Amino acid sequence: GENVEQHPSTLSVQEGDSAVIKCTYSDSASNYFPWYKQELGKRPQLIIDIRSNVGEKKDQRIAVTLNKTAKHFSLHITETQPEDSAVYFCAASPTGGFKTIFGAGTRLFVKA
Amino acid sequence: DGGITQSPKYLFRKEGQNVTLSCEQNLNHDAMYWYRQDPGQGLRLIYYSQIVNDFQKGDIAEGYSVSREKKESFPLTVTSAQKNPTAFYLCASRGGGGGYNEQFFGPGTRLTVL
Repeated sequence: GENVEQHPSTLSVQEGDSAVIKCTYSDSASNYFPWYKQELGKRPQLIIDIRSNVGEKKDQRIAVTLNKTAKHFSLHITETQPEDSAVYFCAASPTGGFKTIFGAGTRLFVKA
Repeated sequence: DGGITQSPKYLFRKEGQNVTLSCEQNLNHDAMYWYRQDPGQGLRLIYYSQIVNDFQKGDIAEGYSVSREKKESFPLTVTSAQKNPTAFYLCASRGGGGGYNEQFFGPGTRLTVL
């Protein structure tokens, strides 16, 4: 069935360093790839998304890249800050479908 | 934080009881979803609804039931058949058709079995 694999499950970086989270999806019909950030005890919130007709998208310190051929997409956070510490989920959504498949999440720790 | 709300924030259930979690949205979204999140885990889909009076089972529907009588509301009932219901429950909604729209999440309900 449809699946999204996310790595690593835990990531610890020093403040100011970059963080990279990688995801792989199985459904070739997927064409929308959102990333959510969830702080402890709170709701997931969208931080950036990318559509299949785009290879890269940036928003200040965060960027996403998409390789449709390899079915890979990644989140890049530069100049990390302690407030970036949270769980990050990648997801994939197929064309015309209502289900979004989520990765298992990456817990990011940014050490001051 | 408006748009999609859940109540209660905390809920305690005795064994053998059914409990209902509320989810309401004023975003005029067609699709609504229920997810379960266990500590340190990802989001698992329980049920989803594309339109009023229609819903489909997700990956872990056993022991749960839903209804979608109004566009704004998608309550989830955790029945006594759900043997391990202690978890964080998240409701979400999405507008439009197709796959481009983000899901908006409610603040969640934390359910604990006593």
